[in-house]
Amino acid sequence: ETGVTQTPRHLVMGMTNKKSLKCEQHLGHNAMYWYKQSAKKPLELMFVYNFKEQTENNSVPSRFSPECPNSSHLFLHLHTLQPEDSALYLCASSQGVAGGGDTQYFGPGTRLTVL
Amino acid sequence: EDQVTQSPEALRLQEGESSSLNCSYTVSGLRGLFWYRQDPGKGPEFLFTLYSAGEEKEKERLKATLTKKESFLHITAPKPEDSATYLCAVQGVGGTSYGKLTFGQGTILTVHP
Repeated sequence: ETGVTQTPRHLVMGMTNKKSLKCEQHLGHNAMYWYKQSAKKPLELMFVYNFKEQTENNSVPSRFSPECPNSSHLFLHLHTLQPEDSALYLCASSQGVAGGGDTQYFGPGTRLTVL
Repeated sequence: EDQVTQSPEALRLQEGESSSLNCSYTVSGLRGLFWYRQDPGKGPEFLFTLYSAGEEKEKERLKATLTKKESFLHITAPKPEDSATYLCAVQGVGGTSYGKLTFGQGTILTVHP
């Protein structure tokens, strides 16, 4: 595997289900990100982890719960979602250079549909 | 608050017809401006990073330029395979935490053979 991988690629869930999205980066990076991409809207940053520590929570509802066990893996745990949460969820990673300005590389995304 | 506006929203070109996409931005201090290409149903693919006004970068038929207020993505003699959504994003120094990118809404480019 190379780059940033995400599983599953597609997910359909009911409002009462609990599911998890997985992201793995094979680039030796130290920072990982979750983004949400809805139709007709710009990408929205959800969470940032730098060296496994959460450094950003962009006012995301508590029904989304991130987990970063190490610098290579990132999870997004989902529970009691709403239909408006249906979107493409993208994971990204970057070198984690102090002061920012380093390039983020994206995975293929998970297409989530909430019924 | 950092802001990014891309224009036009959609652009249709004939193969070989050169054009430019615009990205206007406001940011308290620029750490980097990023261009990505996104195909339908896929994640954004990195194209360029620009750090300071006057900087230019090229890759095949694409050339990105940067001023203090905007960036242009010039496409020379495009081919149908250049059809995609092109995304611009900025990372600023003020009021945002480390690593946060602010994206524009994208320009949908269609190149007809």
